[in-house]
Amino acid sequence: GEDVEQSLFLSVREGDSSVINCTYTDSSSTYLYWYKQEPGAGLQLLTYIFSNMDMKQDQRLTVLLNKKDKHLSLRIADTQTGDSAIYFCAESLGDMRFGAGTRLTVKP
Amino acid sequence: EAGVTQFPSHSVIEKGQTVTLRCDPISGHDNLYWYRRVMGKEIKFLLHFVKESKQDESGMPNNRFLAERTGGTYSTLKVQPAELEDSGVYFCASSQSPGGIQYFGAGTRLSVL
Repeated sequence: GEDVEQSLFLSVREGDSSVINCTYTDSSSTYLYWYKQEPGAGLQLLTYIFSNMDMKQDQRLTVLLNKKDKHLSLRIADTQTGDSAIYFCAESLGDMRFGAGTRLTVKP
Repeated sequence: EAGVTQFPSHSVIEKGQTVTLRCDPISGHDNLYWYRRVMGKEIKFLLHFVKESKQDESGMPNNRFLAERTGGTYSTLKVQPAELEDSGVYFCASSQSPGGIQYFGAGTRLSVL
């Protein structure tokens, strides 16, 4: 099975908040990441959190980390149509281990 | 500063042919990684170079795949002969340190017909 799991689809209305969830399996991960892939583009590093942190906020993005449950979430406030993309959760153990990606669709 | 660049952006070949993908990491990054995403599944690690040496190639699927990084700068990933199941997007990433943040290229979309 996959080391990193995330739901495949999320649909929200413009202006709402989006929450993308992820579970990982290796508690020794140093960093946990969120990457964004827009159509036809590569992977863009969106944000990351060091494993000894619980929360990180960066403008409209909030990352929450629950190490006990190995759960990572990405909250996007005031979601815009330009946020429509695939969001990948990843853990770093030397090499990166990714989830299958969550396709976020933002409806006007 | 230029990011990670990959060439070509898209390659369409027939089964049995050979394809070579290229990755230019961020200047000064000793660590270079190859990943691939097939059929919309998760992105899978292929291998990791530290300078010109293969640090970890545990993710390479079989001996039809050959990665090189002569001189410790750019890297190539050759698939020979290509099979249908090799179709997907091949990503390259680089980082300053082995556990450091990895920056990804735009990927090469490989289509094997």
